[in-house]
Amino acid sequence: SQKIEQNSEALNIQEGKTATLTCNYTNYSPAYLQWYRQDPGRGPVFLLLIRENEKEKRKERLKVTFDTTLKQSLFHITASQPADSATYLCALIDRGSTLGRLYFGRGTQLTVWP
Amino acid sequence: DGGITQSPKYLFRKEGQNVTLSCEQNLNHDAMYWYRQDPGQGLRLIYYSQIVNDFQKGDIAEGYSVSREKKESFPLTVTSAQKNPTAFYLCASSRTGTSGFTYQETQYFGPGTRLLVL
Repeated sequence: SQKIEQNSEALNIQEGKTATLTCNYTNYSPAYLQWYRQDPGRGPVFLLLIRENEKEKRKERLKVTFDTTLKQSLFHITASQPADSATYLCALIDRGSTLGRLYFGRGTQLTVWP
Repeated sequence: DGGITQSPKYLFRKEGQNVTLSCEQNLNHDAMYWYRQDPGQGLRLIYYSQIVNDFQKGDIAEGYSVSREKKESFPLTVTSAQKNPTAFYLCASSRTGTSGFTYQETQYFGPGTRLLVL
């Protein structure tokens, strides 16, 4: 069956450290993988997109890697701040989909403490 | 100010009642989506529409209905057939519909409607 698994439901780290979130997928052939941030009671907000032929993408303190051999994406937040506390969702677009619809993982709740 | 609006923020449903959730976008996007989110769960697709007057069932369409009479509007009705409607409902849109399809489209989400059963 198809699955998207994010490493853990919750991740707690100290301010200033690097947060690393994992997204593993099974039985998908992703053309793109995206990461979203969701705050409590609000809709997700797009952060970064990485293509299947890209190894790494950066945006300010954010970095995403994509390894199609391992079927895994890693999402890094460097110099983390309490304001980074949120749930982070990975989502992929499968090549087999005619619409290009997104398939979401359950998310990882990140808490950055001072 | 472009974006997606959903209303109401909270909605209460009585047993046997149909309720409609509103979703409006002024981004001129072709495609629109409805998701359901339960605690600790990922987003599950209910219905999607690639173009006006056309829509398709997602993974959990039973007990729901939609219409797409206007490009900017995609209302969702939760019918009495949906036995477990309590959830957070999210509407989203993306630029591409049936024409000019690309794989890299990101989705823009509304603020959500929380549906509760009385």
